[in-house]
Parts: sequence; structure tokens; C-alpha cells
Amino acid sequence: GQQVMQIPQYQHVQEGEDFTTYCNSSTTLSNIQWYKQRPGGHPVFLIQLVKSGEVKKQKRLTFQFGEAKKNSSLHITATQTTDVGTYFCAESYNQGGKLIFGQGTELSVKP
Amino acid sequence: DARVTQTPRHKVTEMGQEVTMRCQPILGHNTVFWYRQTMMQGLELLAYFRNRAPLDDSGMPKDRFSAEMPDATLATLKIQPSEPRDSAVYFCASGLNRQHVYGYTFGSGTRLTVV
Repeated sequence: GQQVMQIPQYQHVQEGEDFTTYCNSSTTLSNIQWYKQRPGGHPVFLIQLVKSGEVKKQKRLTFQFGEAKKNSSLHITATQTTDVGTYFCAESYNQGGKLIFGQGTELSVKP
Repeated sequence: DARVTQTPRHKVTEMGQEVTMRCQPILGHNTVFWYRQTMMQGLELLAYFRNRAPLDDSGMPKDRFSAEMPDATLATLKIQPSEPRDSAVYFCASGLNRQHVYGYTFGSGTRLTVV
């Protein structure tokens, strides 16, 4: 079945260090969405990637979609304590079907 | 900002009791998802609706779970009878899907504890 694998499961960084989480699939992805969930909160939509090789930026966050549309990454430059939370990738299968989430990467930032 | 409203926020119930969780999607959204989140399993898709019609509930234990959308402003998830292993946070999310797919908005969740 559909499955997106996300690594790493946990990442602990010092404030100011960079952070990257990766999302991989054995099959071609229709698109990828990224969400952030703060501790005790709910997932919040960050961005959607649709095109092969697409790169989008939101301030210190850079999102990439692989050329083969089988992987995606989220990179945070110079992490801050406000970046703490779990970052999820999710595939919206077949352009509007099921939204299947990866297992998430939990980011902790040491001040 | 428009919000997805879920009630109740917290629910503690005894094993064997019926539990009903409610979700009010954002007005105008035509797609509604129900997810269950646990530490072990992460975010599991239970069911989803498009224009109030159920499209997929393969992730839901059919013998005890049921999901409905009696109207466009209400989605319900019912567990009967509840079991301790149902303890989790249940999220509802809504979004608009027409020719394009957009991000989904999640509610704050219902934290269910079955004792």
C-alpha cells in the first residue's frame, strides 16, 4: 500500500544549528504536503509540493521535491526554540484522495 | 481565522461505553478526514468524506467504529463499545478539493481515555 517513510525519527540540535528531515517513497508521489505539530497541539499545514524538482522557501524553511517525485526534504536553517515540534510529510494520494502521513520527525532545540 | 471545531476536547470513559466525537468543518470545505494519533502508530487515517459521501473507511475497525456526516456542518465518529486500546487523540481535518489540492486544516482534537 501507499507508504511514506520519514527519517530521522528524532533530532536534537543546538539552537542555531541546521536541521533536515527526509521523506521517501518506493513509488512515485502525486504530491507532498508538510505539516508541523507543536507539543500538545495539532498538525498545521506548512506547504505543498507538486512538481518534479520543485523548491519552495518560507523564511528559514526550504522544501524540496525530488526529480523522480519519490522523495522530499524539509531543511531549517539556524534553528530557533520556536521550531520545536514534530514535522510530518504527507502524500495526498491521487490528487485529492487519501492523505497519508509519514511517521514524523520530532525536533528538539537546545537553547 | 476559520477553524475546525472538535468536541469534546477531552473524554474519559469506561470500557464498554459508547463514545461520540463531533467535528464542525470549515464552511465551504468539501473534504473531511478523521485521524487517530498514538505514540506507537502515529497519525492513522480512519475515514474520509468528500461532499458528505464516505470515500474510504478502510483504516477503521468496522465492528466498533462508525463515521458519518449527517450534514455539511457536522461529522461524527462513534465508538461502540469502547476499549482501552482506543485511547488516543482523534483529529478531524477539513479541506477544499476541486481541481486542485490544498492543505488541510486540523481541529484541536479529542483526547480519549478509556479505562
